[in-house]
Amino acid sequence: ILNVEQSPQSLHVQEGDSTNFTCSFPSSNFYALHWYRWETAKSPEALFVMTLNGDEKKKGRISATLNTKEGYSYLYIKGSQPEDSATYLCASDEFISNFGNEKLTFGTGTRLTIIP
Amino acid sequence: ETGVTQTPRHLVMGMTNKKSLKCEQHLGHNAMYWYKQSAKKPLELMFVYNFKEQTENNSVPSRFSPECPNSSHLFLHLHTLQPEDSALYLCASSQATGRDEQYFGPGTRLTVT
Repeated sequence: ILNVEQSPQSLHVQEGDSTNFTCSFPSSNFYALHWYRWETAKSPEALFVMTLNGDEKKKGRISATLNTKEGYSYLYIKGSQPEDSATYLCASDEFISNFGNEKLTFGTGTRLTIIP
Repeated sequence: ETGVTQTPRHLVMGMTNKKSLKCEQHLGHNAMYWYKQSAKKPLELMFVYNFKEQTENNSVPSRFSPECPNSSHLFLHLHTLQPEDSALYLCASSQATGRDEQYFGPGTRLTVT
């Protein structure tokens, strides 16, 4: 995987249902994996930053897991509510040793719409 | 003011104009970023400043010129832009680069005519 890929691109979920989506990223030179929520007409808001293989983080009804060996992360939303409607972005932070810094690459996002 | 602020929120400029975007963070962070969001494309990192020093420039054309006079302020100077530079420009800050969550400003919607 050369780029950060998110699937699906868009998703419609009935209110109250649970859902999940995927972020795939290059597993080599892995440094960190970020998840952001971006609501229409607002700024992207950080959800999680994950660094360790097997990491699992939770914030309210939203949780995320990380597999750095195979290069994927899942975001789960339990009991979807209308306020969960947003675009969910993941970003992979790779350590670029040649330059001693990092490279942050975003996916195109999963656009989630909750149907009341 | 709290968080990350950006001015102006909207900007229309001709290809021969020179303008600047301003970003200010009130969070005491040490790293600041410029991003470009074009339609149907991923958020694209343009520049990174860490402790006022530029640490990354993702092959951005020289018509975009960043300036970071201190850890709280970041500018993006624009000159002789092209219509394809029309996009949403977002500023963000974090405590440090890499493993810290970023806090984003509201963005500047730029239209180049």
